[in-house]
Amino acid sequence: KAGVTQTPRYLIKTRGQQVTLSCSPISGHRSVSWYQQTPGQGLQFLFEYFSETQRNKGNFPGRFSGRQFSNSRSEMNVSTLELGDSALYLCASSTGQTSGNTIYFGEGSWLTVV
Amino acid sequence: AQSVTQPDIHITVSEGASLELRCNYSYGATPYLFWYVQSPGQGLQLLLKYFSGDTLVQGIKGFEAEFKRSQSSFNLRKPSVHWSDAAEYFCAVGAGNEKLTFGTGTRLTIIP
Repeated sequence: KAGVTQTPRYLIKTRGQQVTLSCSPISGHRSVSWYQQTPGQGLQFLFEYFSETQRNKGNFPGRFSGRQFSNSRSEMNVSTLELGDSALYLCASSTGQTSGNTIYFGEGSWLTVV
Repeated sequence: AQSVTQPDIHITVSEGASLELRCNYSYGATPYLFWYVQSPGQGLQLLLKYFSGDTLVQGIKGFEAEFKRSQSSFNLRKPSVHWSDAAEYFCAVGAGNEKLTFGTGTRLTIIP
């Protein structure tokens, strides 16, 4: 069974631009979560989608948004990029059950903002 | 609110020595607890998890962890480390369909 797939793996953007990252969950998983990882802040939860609906949300500004499609694939978008948005963005998937959830991570998308 | 503390930022052990990484959590109900490992430039790989039942949990790569409710701890152990175990280790807590809360991680260095 294929794992969580994230694209692109690496990208460089300029301040003020926007970026879209993609995540394909494990087959059969309906929940997709996004995390931002930086050296200073560690792993921070962005949001979670389940069956195309945002179910949980972290404390990030509105420039960070996401969506989930009917096939459970998810995208996250960051608009008006700032230097501080440089980070590893991790996608994770799970079945989305209310108990006993195991969350599996992709290898991440490295975003550098210059 | 739930929280996780990994008190050791960096640990160095000799190859073949035993290892224990500490994790303390704060959560109002019975938590689900996880240990993940991250190699440089990679995503997080699940080592083991505790949901309920036996408080000693076996994971991959020879790791185990013990849930101690009285101490709010979920420490990770390995009897004999290998050079390939050098990585960053994250403890996480969650419950139901809530988001995972991660500790700040412990970086493990192995010396020959």
